[in-house]
Amino acid sequence: GAGVSQSPSNKVTEKGKDVELRCDPISGHTALYWYRQRLGQGLEFLIYFQGNSAPDKSGLPSDRFSAERTGESVSTLTIQRTQQEDSAVYLCASSLGSKTNEQFFGPGTRLTVL
Amino acid sequence: GESVGLHLPTLSVQEGDNSIINCAYSNSASDYFIWYKQESGKGPQFIIDIRSNMDKRQGQRVTVLLNKTVKHLSLQIAATQPGDSAVYFCAEKRGNTGFQKLVFGTGTRLLVSP
Repeated sequence: GAGVSQSPSNKVTEKGKDVELRCDPISGHTALYWYRQRLGQGLEFLIYFQGNSAPDKSGLPSDRFSAERTGESVSTLTIQRTQQEDSAVYLCASSLGSKTNEQFFGPGTRLTVL
Repeated sequence: GESVGLHLPTLSVQEGDNSIINCAYSNSASDYFIWYKQESGKGPQFIIDIRSNMDKRQGQRVTVLLNKTVKHLSLQIAATQPGDSAVYFCAEKRGNTGFQKLVFGTGTRLLVSP
């Protein structure tokens, strides 16, 4: 079946520009997560959505980062006024609720800020 | 501070050997410890998890061992195959109430030679 998809796969932008990253979770997965992975590093939690509950934004590194999710479907992660330190792979994952430890990850969007 | 880290950044083995990937953690209050595998250019993939009240759990060709006394977690892969080459992350499920997020370590690269 279809897994988690993300677009674009690669994004190159100039410092100061805004970017929007998209995630399509697995159908029926109520939980959705965004992570950031810098080169050679582990995954850094950013934000979590569960159904129609208020999202857990505790991992967002600054107010330049925001995310939205429409119901239990598509999510977008927006980074405003991008900085070079925002360069990383942004990974989206979904799961059948937050109780399970098995999150299904997309291939990621590689963001490069020049 | 609280962290989940790894002893060895790179592990090289021969095909058919058994591999052991280690992880140290500092937070004793986690409910679960989880291993993920990340192949080049892909998102992480769930391998196996272990509840904090267990010492050992076996899967298909993999075994996870948890030593709470020394706060050490290991992943053993039997009869390692070239397809096992990837970066392996340990993760800790952490949180007091409601949403428990995954805290990932920095990863160990496993290289399997034919």
